[in-house]
Amino acid sequence: AQSVTQLDSHVSVSEGTPVLLRCNYSSSYSPSLFWYVQHPNKGLQLLLKYTSAATLVKGINGFEAEFKKSETSFHLTKPSAHMSDAAEYFCVVSATGANNLFFGTGTRLTVIP
Amino acid sequence: DTEVTQTPKHLVMGMTNKKSLKCEQHMGHRAMYWYKQKAKKPPELMFVYSYEKLSINESVPSRFSPECPNSSLLNLHLHALQPEDSALYLCASSQVAWNTGELFFGEGSRLTVL
Repeated sequence: AQSVTQLDSHVSVSEGTPVLLRCNYSSSYSPSLFWYVQHPNKGLQLLLKYTSAATLVKGINGFEAEFKKSETSFHLTKPSAHMSDAAEYFCVVSATGANNLFFGTGTRLTVIP
Repeated sequence: DTEVTQTPKHLVMGMTNKKSLKCEQHMGHRAMYWYKQKAKKPPELMFVYSYEKLSINESVPSRFSPECPNSSLLNLHLHALQPEDSALYLCASSQVAWNTGELFFGEGSRLTVL
């Protein structure tokens, strides 16, 4: 079975400071992991994905995530937050042969000027 | 063109109305999806079409009726909806169903049922 747990429902950071959004996963198989972002009243956009290649994954807009199998984690980071990063972020897991994506409950990121 | 286009963006309907949501993509993707998203919740899968055939129906009530006329178009026909069906309906597409997990989402159709 696959599932993800996003450890924070809301994260608030000041503009220019680092961002850390935490995600732990559970998977019976070799997982594929994703972070999607959803800006207010918009659809979801893929930020980055891990599919068993390099464990440090770089995405769009300066975001990156590190796959840590020993910790079953896939935390999302960014060195310096920008106002435009304010959005809802979803950690998602899939597995080879699975016929669904399993979404976390989301983390709302607020960026304070 | 890497867009998934959904129309209308907003829809208000009564419980006795019949309406449709439309979705279009021109990326050559052969899998298309309908998701329902309630406020402050993750998207929930409703239907999956793979090569224009319905492959997954996640026990969705029959008042929601999907249709895939061709590989670029996906419709969701709505009839006799309930107020609790009010939500953001998201369409997505991928090259083939689930192979990489990378889905391209539209901006959604926000549905209000009175």
